[in-house]
Amino acid sequence: GAVVSQHPSRVICKSGTSVKIECRSLDFQATTMFWYRQFPKQSLMLMATSNEGSKATYEQGVEKDKFLINHASLTLSTLTVTSAHPEDSSFYICSARTQGGTETQYFGPGTRLLVL
Amino acid sequence: EDQVTQSPEALRLQEGESSSLNCSYTVSGLRGLFWYRQDPGKGPEFLFTLYSAGEEKEKERLKATLTKKESFLHITAPKPEDSATYLCAVRPGSSGSARQLTFGSGTQLTVLP
Repeated sequence: GAVVSQHPSRVICKSGTSVKIECRSLDFQATTMFWYRQFPKQSLMLMATSNEGSKATYEQGVEKDKFLINHASLTLSTLTVTSAHPEDSSFYICSARTQGGTETQYFGPGTRLLVL
Repeated sequence: EDQVTQSPEALRLQEGESSSLNCSYTVSGLRGLFWYRQDPGKGPEFLFTLYSAGEEKEKERLKATLTKKESFLHITAPKPEDSATYLCAVRPGSSGSARQLTFGSGTQLTVLP
């Protein structure tokens, strides 16, 4: 199957700093990528849909000024958590969707963010 | 509103004890039902996509089936390494354009040796 990478896998930062997470589709192009957040023992919560070359679409309740998304190429989307606070600590997972045909979403390995 | 319900929430099996996981859904125009496997601390791993009632797909000890209202993930003679959370998701169809997946809450499967 297709491969999606995420970097970093784990990050610890101080409150008030910004953190950038990269998501790459390694062997396919993705015009659409997604960013999810997952709390312990819970399912995936969609934060935003990232479209290459255009503004991201955020889900209700997700602050677009806090979670900045950039999808500058067909293989790269980034999520920047600005002025992070302890309540932003979570597991962030990106997903990239193949184009045409089955349009399957493949997920990255996730990024564990801990804000102190 | 699109809805996906998975049952049971948790399932414990002995190694070799076959069983099935259920995914019931309501969606406006199904454009794919997806099964994923998620291990702790990792992103979901794609398993299957089903598109129409009656369709079946198999991979090793797993077989997924689809009806108009639900999907089953059958696990035959499971092994401890099959322990994971299994997620079901649907993609609704709308005006010919694909929309985001709606996920169920998952079934946490534990296979005991």
